[in-house]
This record gives sequence, structure tokens and C-alpha cells, in this order.
Amino acid sequence: EDQVTQSPEALRLQEGESSSLNCSYTVSGLRGLFWYRQDPGKGPEFLFTLYSAGEEKEKERLKATLTKKESFLHITAPKPEDSATYLCAVQALETDKLIFGTGTRLQVFP
Amino acid sequence: DAGVTQSPTHLIKTRGQHVTLRCSPISGHKSVSWYQQVLGQGPQFIFQYYEKEERGRGNFPDRFSARQFPNYSSELNVNALLLGDSALYLCASSLGQPRAHSPLHFGNGTRLTVT
Repeated sequence: EDQVTQSPEALRLQEGESSSLNCSYTVSGLRGLFWYRQDPGKGPEFLFTLYSAGEEKEKERLKATLTKKESFLHITAPKPEDSATYLCAVQALETDKLIFGTGTRLQVFP
Repeated sequence: DAGVTQSPTHLIKTRGQHVTLRCSPISGHKSVSWYQQVLGQGPQFIFQYYEKEERGRGNFPDRFSARQFPNYSSELNVNALLLGDSALYLCASSLGQPRAHSPLHFGNGTRLTVT
């Protein structure tokens, strides 16, 4: 069964304190792994798609990496505006649906 | 550019009632998907439509149904509401055909409360 597990569930960081979020997955043939950011009361906002092991993508203070079993979202020198829930999702080859993890709730304090 | 728009933003219904949620995709997007997000959980797939045809269905009861119109907008219908149907209902659109490399872009959802 296709599955996504995210850790930690919650993370509190001081402004400027870099860290990483983990997304472990099992899927019967990966078509893509997606990272989304979700603010309270809003829909998920697309950040990255990764397609193959070894691929990396960056956007401002965020960098996503992918291996055959997991993905990391690295946050460098975070700011309070980076506070949000970060969702990871996988898409299998034979389907279009996204299978989401439960997310990591990130809080960055000044 | 307008993103995915959903209406209404909030809705309160009583058990046993019926509800219709509406979604307009990003201009040019032909694929629409519906997801249910319970508080504290990730979104769960309900339906996907492409070119007005159902292309995928998640593990939800037959009380849930949907359709896509010629202008690519979509409706999600839920009959005989249960307390457990209370959730944020998200609509997402994508540019590509099924099985293509095309990310989903989500609206801000409809918050449904069943009392």
C-alpha cells in the first residue's frame, strides 16, 4: 500500500536556526514527490516537484532533496514568515491521485 | 492571474442534509480533483475529473458524487450528511492530461461543519 510518513509532527525553531523536515514514502513506482506549504485556513500552496532520486530543487530559503525512500525539506536561516504546515505527497505511476502525509507544523520564533 | 476558486468558503449543515460545493479551475486547466482534509490530517483524495469524465475515485461512500461541466468547473455533492463529513473540502486543478507531469494547484477550500 502506498504510504507517506512525515517527521517530526511539529518543530519549533529560533529565527536563523536551520533544520530539516523528513518525508519517508513507499509507493509502487514513483511518478513524482510533491512539497506543499499550508497556512491556517488556506489551501496547500505548491512548492516543489521531484521526480527521481538525486534530484534537488531550491526556492529562497527552502531546498528539497529526494532519495529512493525519502525526501528532505531543508530550511536555511528560517524567518517567522516561514511558519506553516509543510505537506509531502507522492504520486504513483498508475494513478493521478496524491497521497499526502500528515504534515510537519513549523513555528519560527523571532 | 486568478487561482482556483471555491464557493462557499464556509457552510454549516445538519445531519441528513445534502450539500453542493463548487470549484472553478485555473484558466486553461482541464483537470479538477477533490480532496477532503480533516483537522490535523493531510488531504485525502475523493475524485478526479478530466475533460468532463471521471478518471479516478478514492475510498469514499456513494453519498459522495461529483461532475465537471463543459467550462471545466466542477461540483462536489454529498448526500445524507454525517457528523464525520465535517472537514475542509479542497479543489485542485492541473494543466496536463492524466499521467502527465503536472502539479496540482489548490483552492482555499470550503469549510463544512455538520451539526
